[in-house]
Amino acid sequence: QSVLTQPPSVSAAPGQKVTISCSGSSSNIGKNYVAWYQQLPGTAPKLLIYDNNERPSGIPDRFSGSKSGTSATLGITGLQTGDEADYYCGTWDSRLSAVVFGGGTKLTVL
Amino acid sequence: QVQLVQSAPEVKKPGSSVKVSCKVSASSFSKYAISWVRQAPGQGLEWMGEIIPIFDTTNYAQRFQGRVTITADESRSTVNMELSRLKSEDTAVYYCARGGGNYGSPSWFDPWGQGTQVTVSS
Repeated sequence: QSVLTQPPSVSAAPGQKVTISCSGSSSNIGKNYVAWYQQLPGTAPKLLIYDNNERPSGIPDRFSGSKSGTSATLGITGLQTGDEADYYCGTWDSRLSAVVFGGGTKLTVL
Repeated sequence: QVQLVQSAPEVKKPGSSVKVSCKVSASSFSKYAISWVRQAPGQGLEWMGEIIPIFDTTNYAQRFQGRVTITADESRSTVNMELSRLKSEDTAVYYCARGGGNYGSPSWFDPWGQGTQVTVSS
């Protein structure tokens, strides 16, 4: 049972937009920055978004992040087949004194 | 530019220990906080703990307290993670990753090592 809650799967057609939600609580998302990761099959996770809405160098602006209260959202526009992957949200939990992750969301580009 | 390269896969017996290493290629090795995150087959990510060599401090997730030890070898620019009293449920891919944000409370990880498969089986 993950501390952060994500939908198990989302899907959309190529070229469309999709959003992935991440729900937490006042001890984690409510007071700390959120990051998002993309994990392609058989590879290590890759940082997509940090500090709620910042993109590391090299990450296209098709990927965006936002946070409101105790929830965060990852948005992906102009979907490509290469975007098919598992996506994870993560943050620090001040009550647990630990990093916590969502259970992951599998994106299918139909 | 930080790069993390991990050691080879391991197969261990239940009750034994495993040590996984992570070579950090970067200037000023000691200033980087390095965390360990594991992923069981078909499961999500689980943070185990971190080390901050410049402060010689470690921080472990509650569920691994007493069973995990993270150390840094500055002469080899390497961070090691040792997990003891292995159980079959410890079978997972173990990743090291550079932590960003505040020291002691990382909020993001980049880059990640390539992962090390640890299999626990009798």
